[in-house]
Amino acid sequence: AQKVTQAQTEISVVEKEDVTLDCVYETRDTTYYLFWYKQPPSGELVFLIRRNSFDEQNEISGRYSWNFQKSTSSFNFTITASQVVDSAVYFCALKLIQGAQKLVFGQGTRLTINP
Amino acid sequence: DSGVTQTPKHLITATGQRVTLRCSPRSGDLSVYWYQQSLDQGLQFLIQYYNGEERAKGNILERFSAQQFPDLHSELNLSSLELGDSALYFCASSVGAEWETQYFGPGTRLLVL
Repeated sequence: AQKVTQAQTEISVVEKEDVTLDCVYETRDTTYYLFWYKQPPSGELVFLIRRNSFDEQNEISGRYSWNFQKSTSSFNFTITASQVVDSAVYFCALKLIQGAQKLVFGQGTRLTINP
Repeated sequence: DSGVTQTPKHLITATGQRVTLRCSPRSGDLSVYWYQQSLDQGLQFLIQYYNGEERAKGNILERFSAQQFPDLHSELNLSSLELGDSALYFCASSVGAEWETQYFGPGTRLLVL
């Protein structure tokens, strides 16, 4: 069975600090997608990234970067020079590409950026 | 504004009742996804439709059903409601079937009393 663990329940940092959100996943399959989603205090969900298990290249999008390491089954998310607007709950998720199509979420990490 | 609309925004009903939640995807998007977020269960994926056909199934209860219509809007039907069904129900859409960039609606907050 698939499992996603976000061990950090809450993180609080001061604005402009860099912060990394950890995501560790478990699956026996070799083909899967990994995702990150953001849920700001306003409550809406925002899709951030989908990563294919075949593509281990790290990705950067502005201040956001993602580090995918198959060897440690991790897909960590780093925010550089954090801003107050980055305050949100962040969810990591895993979905097999073949077979059971269920998407499994981690419990989420609540990130608070203090001014 | 993501371009995905959900109605109603809020819904209050009683146990045992049946409700229908509606989702209109962004123009041109063929996939619709349904999610449930509750305090007890966290965020869960329910079901995905692509161009009218069920594509992926998650933790959707047998009391729940969904469909996607020819105009691509989708409805999630919840029946024999229980207190534990109180949750925020999100709909999302994407262009294709492979879980690429998804755009989320604002959600429907369901309260079962």
